[in-house]
Amino acid sequence: AQKVTQAQTEISVVEKEDVTLDCVYETRDTTYYLFWYKQPPSGELVFLIRRNSFDEQNEISGRYSWNFQKSTSSFNFTITASQVVDSAVYFCALSEKGGDKIIFGKGTRLHILP
Amino acid sequence: SAVISQKPSRDICQRGTSLTIQCQVDSQVTMMFWYRQQPGQSLTLIATANQGSEATYESGFVIDKFPISRPNLTFSTLTVSNMSPEDSSIYLCSASGTLSYNEQFFGPGTRLTVL
Repeated sequence: AQKVTQAQTEISVVEKEDVTLDCVYETRDTTYYLFWYKQPPSGELVFLIRRNSFDEQNEISGRYSWNFQKSTSSFNFTITASQVVDSAVYFCALSEKGGDKIIFGKGTRLHILP
Repeated sequence: SAVISQKPSRDICQRGTSLTIQCQVDSQVTMMFWYRQQPGQSLTLIATANQGSEATYESGFVIDKFPISRPNLTFSTLTVSNMSPEDSSIYLCSASGTLSYNEQFFGPGTRLTVL
């Protein structure tokens, strides 16, 4: 069965610090997809990234970067030089069948303090 | 990217009544899904809305309580039936499988409060 674990329930950092959100997943499939979503206080779900299981290259998008390691079943998310606007709940998620139904982790609430 | 809209954006309902939530996508999509997010919690998949056939429900969710329709490739509805305060949640519609598919899109959600 598939499962996503985000062990960090809540994190607080001071603005401009770097912060890493951890995500560990479980799946029996060899083909799967991993996602990160951001949910700001306004409530909408903002897509950040989708990564398939055959692509282990790390990805960088501006201040965001993702580290995918199949050996440890982890897909961690790092925000560099954090800003107050990064304050949100971040969800890691897993899909076993090519963008089919997504299973979400419990989320990490990130507070960026000015 | 696909744009998804939901109606209503929020509602306050009385116990025992039903509410139908509409989800509209601006392009044809292969898959549509309905999720529930209870206060302070993560998202839980309710069901996959199948075009032209009955929805596929996840464990713990039943058709009598959450009937779903999907008459075409751009539209779906979720009804929350015989509501109780425990149904107070955000209900989100999502879609995937467009021509430029590389992500799963989510609607803005419907915030439901049951008194």
